[in-house]
Amino acid sequence: GENVEQHPSTLSVQEGDSAVIKCTYSDSASNYFPWYKQELGKRPQLIIDIRSNVGEKKDQRIAVTLNKTAKHFSLHITETQPEDSAVYFCAASKRTGGGNKLTFGTGTQLKVEL
Amino acid sequence: DAGVIQSPRHEVTEMGQEVTLRCKPISGHDYLFWYRQTMMRGLELLIYFNNNVPIDDSGMPEDRFSAKMPNASFSTLKIQPSEPRDSAVYFCASSFGTGHGYTFGSGTRLTVV
Repeated sequence: GENVEQHPSTLSVQEGDSAVIKCTYSDSASNYFPWYKQELGKRPQLIIDIRSNVGEKKDQRIAVTLNKTAKHFSLHITETQPEDSAVYFCAASKRTGGGNKLTFGTGTQLKVEL
Repeated sequence: DAGVIQSPRHEVTEMGQEVTLRCKPISGHDYLFWYRQTMMRGLELLIYFNNNVPIDDSGMPEDRFSAKMPNASFSTLKIQPSEPRDSAVYFCASSFGTGHGYTFGSGTRLTVV
């Protein structure tokens, strides 16, 4: 089955700096890659996603890049703010006969320091 | 839309007791997922349904766990008998079609003592 690895497990940045979180996946058939943000005690929430026919996608301060050849994708957060502090999860899935199963990475604890 | 609704939010039970977790997906979503989250193992997929039919239950830890989806608007996850190692946050999520992100419920924090 699919295996998703995520690095780093913790990341500390100064407010205003950029943060980058990287993930690799094992199944070359995977074609959908969402990112979730989970604040302490809350539910994971989808913040951005990318499909395999696109190399990059941006939404304000957040961007995701995908390298299908290398089977890795990354989340970039620019101009970080204290409210960006949370755990971020990457995930991957593919269209199969059964559907829509997401395999999640192990998460990155991002701390934005004042 | 009220989103994915889970109940209860917190459950404390004694070892050996039966526990039932409930989920109402977003109306119109045809996929429903049950995940378990722990510090040690992260987010683990337990089982998922498509159009109320179980598709993949390979993540269900053992026979003590069972899940049902009797109709498009309701699902249950049952643990019987419960054990302390079942303590975790259990999330239900739903989605529409394939290649789309999930919407998670608020989760049920289960503590088995």
